Parts: sequence; structure tokens; C-alpha cells
Amino acid sequence: EAQVTQNPRYLITVTGKKLTVTCSQNMNHEYMSWYRQDPGLGLRQIYYSMNVEVTDKGDVPEGYKVSRKEKRNFPLILESPSPNQTSLYFCASRRQGRNTEAFFGQGTRLTVV
Amino acid sequence: AQSVTQLGSHVSVSEGALVLLRCNYSSSVPPYLFWYVQYPNQGLQLLLKYTSAATLVKGINGFEAEFKKSETSFHLTKPSAHMSDAAEYFCAVPSQGGSEKLVFGKGTKLTVNP
Repeated sequence: EAQVTQNPRYLITVTGKKLTVTCSQNMNHEYMSWYRQDPGLGLRQIYYSMNVEVTDKGDVPEGYKVSRKEKRNFPLILESPSPNQTSLYFCASRRQGRNTEAFFGQGTRLTVV
Repeated sequence: AQSVTQLGSHVSVSEGALVLLRCNYSSSVPPYLFWYVQYPNQGLQLLLKYTSAATLVKGINGFEAEFKKSETSFHLTKPSAHMSDAAEYFCAVPSQGGSEKLVFGKGTKLTVNP
């Protein structure tokens, strides 16, 4: 089954404690990205990757890091989380091309206290 | 820059009534356009997409959308709402330029009343 898998689904952490949210896709997609979803703001892109070892900033990259060492994995790293990073995070993947469908993970609800 | 505007952050309809969710895009060039649905506690899934093959696009679960260049619109409709349609709906357009990112509208939350 084609899918994007994120872990964990829920996470509560304290300010400053480094964390990683994993994302894996099994569709051999070139393009992967991370979004955060906040009430009234819709989805905003954090980082994206167009292929292995190729990553770039999205609209709201501050406080986040990513890596793309393998095609299937695209982890999101928060080196020093702060309360304003409390949000719902989604990983997505798609084939290259502007008319292609994005497949989304189930989401990770992060709370930073 | 490409963008989409969804009119109405909340829409409420009765079961069996017409569903109309509005999306307008900003572009002088007909873009690709997508509608996604997000059910509670789930990720987004594709409802339908416009890729210039046909102006009336049919999607899953009885939804359809019509691309109207003269109105720069891509409104989502369903003739008869079902309780299971209660969800948040997002219109999206790929950005121009190298990033190929999807730019989302702010979403419309659909409530279906019995």
C-alpha cells in the first residue's frame, strides 16, 4: 500500500529538548516536504527536498532542520524546541512535476511546554 | 506568486443539501489546481485535481469542481451532503518557480447538520 508514515503521532516535550520526527515514504517519490498546520493559517511549508541530498527552505524554516540521506526518509529535527513550535506537522511526498498529487502522512501533534 | 483564496472558513449545511465550497486562484496563466480533504485526526487526501484536460473535474465521494477561467475560480460542489462529508477542505495550487511547492488556502471547515 502506498503510504507516508510519520512517527510519533503525538509528542509532548519541554523547551530546549532536541527531538526528531521521522517520515518515510514507499512510493519512490523524488519530492518530499514538511508542513505545519495552525488554526486560521492553513498549511505552511517548512522545508522541502527535491531529491537525495537536495533540501531547501520553505516559508517558515526558522528553528527546524531536515536531512535527506536516503530517498525514502525525510526527518524533521527541532534542535531546541520552543512553545511557538507547538503545532500539527505533516510530511508529504509526490513525484516531480507541478501537476502531481501529494500524499500526506497522518500528522504529528507536537506540544512544547 | 501563485495563491488561492477560500471564501468562508466555516460552512454549515443540512444533510441532503447542496455543498458549495469556494476557491479563487490568482494567476494569469491557467494553473494546476487541487482540492484536498482532511477528516478529523487524519492527514490530507486528494479529492480531485484540474490539469487542463477538462473544465469539469469529478473526484471521490461524489464531489466535483468546475474550472472557470473567466472567474479565476475552482469551486467544489456536491449535490447532496452526507454526514460523513464533515471535514476540512483545502484548495491548493503549485507555486511558479523552482520549488514546486503546493500553496494551500486557509481551509474551509464543513459541518453537516442532521
